[in-house]
Amino acid sequence: QSLLTQPPSVSAAPGQKVTISCSGSSSHIANNYVSWYQQLPGRAPKLLIYDNNKRPSGIPDRFSGSKSDTSATLGITGLQTGDEAEYYCGARDSLTVWVFGGGTKLTVL
Amino acid sequence: QVQLQESGPGLVKPSETLSLNCSVSGDAIRHYYWTWIRQSPGRGLECIGYTLSGGITYYSHSLKSRATISVDLGKRHFSLKLTSVTAADTAVYYCASGAYGDRLEYWGLGTMVTVSS
Repeated sequence: QSLLTQPPSVSAAPGQKVTISCSGSSSHIANNYVSWYQQLPGRAPKLLIYDNNKRPSGIPDRFSGSKSDTSATLGITGLQTGDEAEYYCGARDSLTVWVFGGGTKLTVL
Repeated sequence: QVQLQESGPGLVKPSETLSLNCSVSGDAIRHYYWTWIRQSPGRGLECIGYTLSGGITYYSHSLKSRATISVDLGKRHFSLKLTSVTAADTAVYYCASGAYGDRLEYWGLGTMVTVSS
């Protein structure tokens, strides 16, 4: 059982917006930075969002992140079929190793 | 250009030791956090542990007694050893590295390890 909780799946039509939630305890989310990872089918995870809401170079601004207390949210606008993937939230604090959500499968209808 | 590449046997017998290497190239040699993560078939991500270039290592509570992670920047690789493996250790193993502890910035392609007799 994952320490961070994500919905198993979300879906939306191309061009629409979707949000994926990630909830956890104060020790994992409230007091630490949250990052998000995209895992395309058969591929390694890829950093999508770090420090709750920052995008690495090369990640389009269709992807956004936010955090409030013990919850974090990934937002994706202008959905494309290429966005179909598994999305994971993750966090690390100084006392533990990385913890992840169970993953959310995004389907673009 | 940062590149990480895992290597090791794809098949390990139960009770034996799983040994994996992650070769590091490009700017990755300047990184500070060196992490091993695994993903069991059809499951989510699980962090095995990570080591810092300064030598401190942290392990998952559930794997602490069996895992050893080390980094050798001179040889441009870091490694994972997992002892007394069982079928539950069958997974894709990823190495990841980065300069910052708040993100898993660069990932290897992953290597599938099956534990079976």
